Amino acid sequence: GESVGLHLPTLSVQEGDNSIINCAYSNSASDYFIWYKQESGKGPQFIIDIRSNMDKRQGQRVTVLLNKTVKHLSLQIAATQPGDSAVYFCALKDSGNTPLVFGKGTRLSVIA
Amino acid sequence: EAQVTQNPRYLITVTGKKLTVTCSQNMNHEYMSWYRQDPGLGLRQIYYSMNVEVTDKGDVPEGYKVSRKEKRNFPLILESPSPNQTSLYFCASSLERVASPLHFGNGTRLTVT
Repeated sequence: GESVGLHLPTLSVQEGDNSIINCAYSNSASDYFIWYKQESGKGPQFIIDIRSNMDKRQGQRVTVLLNKTVKHLSLQIAATQPGDSAVYFCALKDSGNTPLVFGKGTRLSVIA
Repeated sequence: EAQVTQNPRYLITVTGKKLTVTCSQNMNHEYMSWYRQDPGLGLRQIYYSMNVEVTDKGDVPEGYKVSRKEKRNFPLILESPSPNQTSLYFCASSLERVASPLHFGNGTRLTVT
C-alpha cells in the first residue's frame, strides 16, 4: 500500500521568507497529488494539485514541485504571511479507483 | 457558496447511545466520504460513496454505518458509540473519485464517555 512521509513535523519561518514543505511517497504508480492546508478548528482546505505528467504547477504564491524519480513532492509558499500558519498535508493516489492517502502533516509557524 | 456542511460541530455523548452526524454538500458531487482524524494517525477513511445507494468501507469502518439515499446527503451513524470513537470527524466530497480534489466540511468533534 501507499506510505506517505514528511521530512519535518514542524517548520518555523520568518514572515516574508519563502517556505518549503516536503513530502516523500513510496508508490511509483502514484498519479495525482494534492496539498491541503488545515487551520485550527477547520477542515482541510484544498490548495493546489498536480498530475504525474507535470513536474511543476503554480498558483497564487504557491508552487508544487513533483520529482517522480525520487518520489518527492514539495509545496513552496512565497513571501510567507502570518495567515499561512497552519498544518499542511500532502495527499496522493494512483490512477485507479483507490482512495486518497494522506500524509501526517507539517505544522508551519510564521514568526512575525 | 459551495460547501460541505456537517452537524453538529461538537457532540458529547455516552457509551451505547446511538447518534447521527449529518453531512450535506451543495456542489452536486458524486463522491462523498467520511474521515476521522486522530493525533499521530492523520486522516483515516471510514466509509465512502461513489454515488446514490453505493457505499463502501474505507480503512476503519468498524462501529460505523452510512447511507446515501440522496446525492447531497451522507450521514454517519454510530449505532453504539464507544470511547475509542472519540475523535474529530470530517465529511468530504468531490466531483469524482479518480482525480479531483476533496472538499471538506469543518468537522465534528465527538467525545464518547
